[in-house]
Amino acid sequence: GAVVSQHPSWVICKSGTSVKIECRSLDFQATTMFWYRQFPKQSLMLMATSNEGSKATYEQGVEKDKFLINHASLTLSTLTVTSAHPEDSSFYICSADWEGFEQYFGPGTRLTVT
Amino acid sequence: AQKVTQAQTEISVVEKEDVTLDCVYETRDTTYYLFWYKQPPSGELVFLIRRNSFDEQNEISGRYSWNFQKSTSSFNFTITASQVVDSAVYFCALSEARVDSGGSNYKLTFGKGTLLTVNP
Repeated sequence: GAVVSQHPSWVICKSGTSVKIECRSLDFQATTMFWYRQFPKQSLMLMATSNEGSKATYEQGVEKDKFLINHASLTLSTLTVTSAHPEDSSFYICSADWEGFEQYFGPGTRLTVT
Repeated sequence: AQKVTQAQTEISVVEKEDVTLDCVYETRDTTYYLFWYKQPPSGELVFLIRRNSFDEQNEISGRYSWNFQKSTSSFNFTITASQVVDSAVYFCALSEARVDSGGSNYKLTFGKGTLLTVNP
């Protein structure tokens, strides 16, 4: 149980375009989902926390208008990277929280902006 | 603010050696959870263990064991008889409760990770 999926697993896009990444909890309802970013050989950094039906809470230094998060249902959260630039190239990981201190992580999405 | 320190950036061992990965944390919360995750080259995080702040019992799971010392704020991870498949980045993480506009939830803070390489 407690499986989280992400789609796509990898994506290449051109600079200036937008990319949407989906995060789904497959066998449970997640009231809270989290989005992390991980640069090569670095740790995971929390970008934002999204609760179903409310606005996302962004961490300091994360641009709200650039990284749009929508948590439309208890099983789906989306992260849209708007007007992507090469410096946005990274590994994006989502996680879902099910009524506890534990987060279940998705497999990650590797974004490359050319 | 909470903090997790993994002082060992990289460790290299030969197969069958025992290896200990260190984790030191800082928090003002009295209730918190500590985690260890494994991240193989594929990138997917693999959950290894969760320990709450009130349970200081050491835990063993196969070749893995964890030593939680609240007095020194440490939560170290030992792999016994290491294998090549253990090669990965290992992250220690700490969760703290927080309340924001969306309600209460828990924020995970990760250490910088330790790259373990097990050579045949």
